[in-house]
Amino acid sequence: KNQVEQSPQSLIILEGKNCTLQCNYTVSPFSNLRWYKQDTGRGPVSLTIMTFSENTKSNGRYTATLDADTKQSSLHITASQLSDSASYICVVSGGGGSQGNLIFGKGTKLSVKP
Amino acid sequence: NAGVTQTPKFRVLKTGQSMTLLCAQDMNHEYMYWYRQDPGMGLRLIHYSVGEGTTAKGEVPDGYNVSRLKKQNFLLGLESAAPSQTSVYFCASSYFRWDRVDEQYFGPGTRLTVT
Repeated sequence: KNQVEQSPQSLIILEGKNCTLQCNYTVSPFSNLRWYKQDTGRGPVSLTIMTFSENTKSNGRYTATLDADTKQSSLHITASQLSDSASYICVVSGGGGSQGNLIFGKGTKLSVKP
Repeated sequence: NAGVTQTPKFRVLKTGQSMTLLCAQDMNHEYMYWYRQDPGMGLRLIHYSVGEGTTAKGEVPDGYNVSRLKKQNFLLGLESAAPSQTSVYFCASSYFRWDRVDEQYFGPGTRLTVT
């Protein structure tokens, strides 16, 4: 069964600290992996999209890594800010025949405290 | 550009009532999607469209119908609402197919409560 598992479920850090969020997936075939940020009461916003040939991709203070062999990804947030408080969702895209489906993880809820 | 907009933002229905959620995008995207988001679960695909006049079922299509009469609009209908359809509904759109490196842009969501 295609699944995307994220850990931890929630995380509290102090402003200015770094953190790393984890994503493991069992989706096959694999096309790409995405990380989204979802603020409370809003729609998800894309942070990065990575194919199997990409190991690392950055977007400002956000850096995503992908190990296609172990089917693991991580999202590292550097020098956290209060505005980073949100849910971070890992999403894996299957092949073109997979009924339009992106497989969404349940998300990690990050709280950044002053 | 407004991006992806959804109407209405909030709605309360009684069991058995019907309603239509409207999604509009101004980015000339071919692909449009309807998702639902429930507490403790990831977003799940209800229906999607690969172009004007086309629709297809996603992971959880039962109890919903959709139409894409115009390229920029994607409508989600509930013919007879049930409490299990209480959820937050998100519309999204993209230019290329989901297996391409192309962003899906999400709307702000519609919070629906069925009593």
